[in-house]
Amino acid sequence: QKEVEQDPGPLSVPEGAIVSLNCTYSNSAFQYFMWYRQYSRKGPELLMYTYSSGNKEDGRFTAQVDKSSKYISLFIRDSQPSDSATYLCAMAGRLSSGSARQLTFGSGTQLTVLP
Amino acid sequence: SAVISQKPSRDICQRGTSLTIQCQVDSQVTMMFWYRQQPGQSLTLIATANQGSEATYESGFVIDKFPISRPNLTFSTLTVSNMSPEDSSIYLCSVEDVGPRANYYNEQFFGPGTRLTVL
Repeated sequence: QKEVEQDPGPLSVPEGAIVSLNCTYSNSAFQYFMWYRQYSRKGPELLMYTYSSGNKEDGRFTAQVDKSSKYISLFIRDSQPSDSATYLCAMAGRLSSGSARQLTFGSGTQLTVLP
Repeated sequence: SAVISQKPSRDICQRGTSLTIQCQVDSQVTMMFWYRQQPGQSLTLIATANQGSEATYESGFVIDKFPISRPNLTFSTLTVSNMSPEDSSIYLCSVEDVGPRANYYNEQFFGPGTRLTVL
């Protein structure tokens, strides 16, 4: 069993739709939860970051973490064609320095938003 | 926020040869990482490279196959040695640096990747 499982997709939605992307994990030591966005032929870029459980909102994006269920989600409201990309969840445990270095990634979900 | 460039952006190589990938950062960073991203699979950490010390390799990766250099705080190389078609992948360099999002979390910034095809 992989440490992090991500819905494989691909996912295709019409412009304006609400998108839900999800990951589950097995390692209870994970404390930091991230979503990266990767456009074609580019490196991943950090989109959202959450520490421990709860919700975090940034514009059209909302990240949710449920540590009791070991389940994280990313919601995209009013999706745009420019949101078309691969979305990767990533997680890390806590180090004494407070920085999270050893990232464990999901396999990514390819999202296409159709105009 | 760190800006990372990689060379080459892509290459097609013959079985049994070696390729060295360069990673250049626009600021001095302590931690640099090399990842592999195979089609349909997650990013897998190959090794962590700190300046002035030997690289630390993850399970399944060895120095003879993936030698790494880290001569200074802005540059690193990864060599893929004695290549086989199974090494066809995207290789990504990343660094840990202060990001805009949190004052106690260092973001990992990624380079654009090197797309390697081994025939």
